[in-house]
Amino acid sequence: QVQLVQSGAEVKKPGASVKVSCKASGYTFTSYYMHWVRQAPGQGLEWMGIINPSGGSTSYAQKFQGRVTMTRDTSTSTVYMELSSLRSEDTAVYYCARYGPSLNAFDIWGQGTMVTVSS
Amino acid sequence: EIVLTQSPGTLSLSPGERATLSCRASQSVSSSYLAWYQQKPGQAPRLLIYGASSRATGIPDRFSGSGSGTDFTLTISRLEPEDFAVYYCQQYGSSPFGGGTKVEIK
Repeated sequence: QVQLVQSGAEVKKPGASVKVSCKASGYTFTSYYMHWVRQAPGQGLEWMGIINPSGGSTSYAQKFQGRVTMTRDTSTSTVYMELSSLRSEDTAVYYCARYGPSLNAFDIWGQGTMVTVSS
Repeated sequence: EIVLTQSPGTLSLSPGERATLSCRASQSVSSSYLAWYQQKPGQAPRLLIYGASSRATGIPDRFSGSGSGTDFTLTISRLEPEDFAVYYCQQYGSSPFGGGTKVEIK
């Protein structure tokens, strides 16, 4: 079945970097754009950026420009989101979400990865 | 940048009642790009409605979406116990999500 499986929870110190993975299965990986969305504890959903798994092009939310890097590995159908210079405000659950072009919506979501930034 | 504002922030209702959730856009949004999601505690969001009014696969028909331009509505005709959750509207843009409406048990 179509699914996105993310890497496990992370605990990082302020100033460090984190890299979260999202492995796709059950569909043609290069046919669907992938987005990253995060959710701080008790808060709403915040869009971070998008990657085209086919060519690797990316677009990031202005808030994260210079700190976030999204990449992909077509050989393993995996996308990655790396966030650097972590601060406590980056403590959140990070989701990858597939964008279905025929629906114009996020139709499949990963299970989420909790990233905790604490000294 | 289009901003989505959801109201109310919290809706307190009893099972069996009708829920009406509002999503208002700061500028006109194409209906093709308006979606609704349900999120339960500890879970990822789940797509309910796309194209403003089309139900996603497996979504019960008690969920319906309507609206156009700047005003969109998600209606749950009769609340089931499993419907108590947070609901988000979304449009395609750099700030795609509304702030959410929590539907809680009264």
